[in-house]
Amino acid sequence: DGGITQSPKYLFRKEGQNVTLSCEQNLNHDAMYWYRQDPGQGLRLIYYSQIVNDFQKGDIAEGYSVSREKKESFPLTVTSAQKNPTAFYLCASSIVQDYGYTFGSGTRLTVV
Amino acid sequence: GENVEQHPSTLSVQEGDSAVIKCTYSDSASNYFPWYKQELGKRPQLIIDIRSNVGEKKDQRIAVTLNKTAKHFSLHITETQPEDSAVYFCAAPEGSQGNLIFGKGTKLSVKP
Repeated sequence: DGGITQSPKYLFRKEGQNVTLSCEQNLNHDAMYWYRQDPGQGLRLIYYSQIVNDFQKGDIAEGYSVSREKKESFPLTVTSAQKNPTAFYLCASSIVQDYGYTFGSGTRLTVV
Repeated sequence: GENVEQHPSTLSVQEGDSAVIKCTYSDSASNYFPWYKQELGKRPQLIIDIRSNVGEKKDQRIAVTLNKTAKHFSLHITETQPEDSAVYFCAAPEGSQGNLIFGKGTKLSVKP
């Protein structure tokens, strides 16, 4: 749907657990991004990657990790160090320096 | 880094009225300004964007204006309809990195 797929749609995490959110795109975009969305906070950048095997921290990277082993894939791991992980997570991709994002449908993560 | 401020946070209008949402940015080098619409529980969708070589762009009932001197840009929706009800986000690029910094969003409600 839309060329960029996030899974799962809903995810529940226990205290102290690491969880991984999947993001896959078939748009041949070089750049991929992870944003976190909280009510009234807009979209805040976690990590981004402009090329395979390279990525940079965004404004709220603490407690998160990523990898970019393939152009199509940019998984996000929410570690136990992230103290308030309950949020809606959005993945996006774009042509580098073009800024026109295509968003995935999001993953809603809840700590139980 | 780039800082994007968006106002108002909520906006309620009667069907058929116009709606205006305003954003300011801090980085004078920014040259791309998109607007996204997000319906409840769904992904943000790009509705219109403007680049710094133009001052205004229209697409049917939607227009965006840009004032580079004052570092602000606005979204104008005319003849609003109930299906325009959503959260709208503005954004601006962070330097030359390619990632977007988003405003905190405006929840628009159009009353029939």
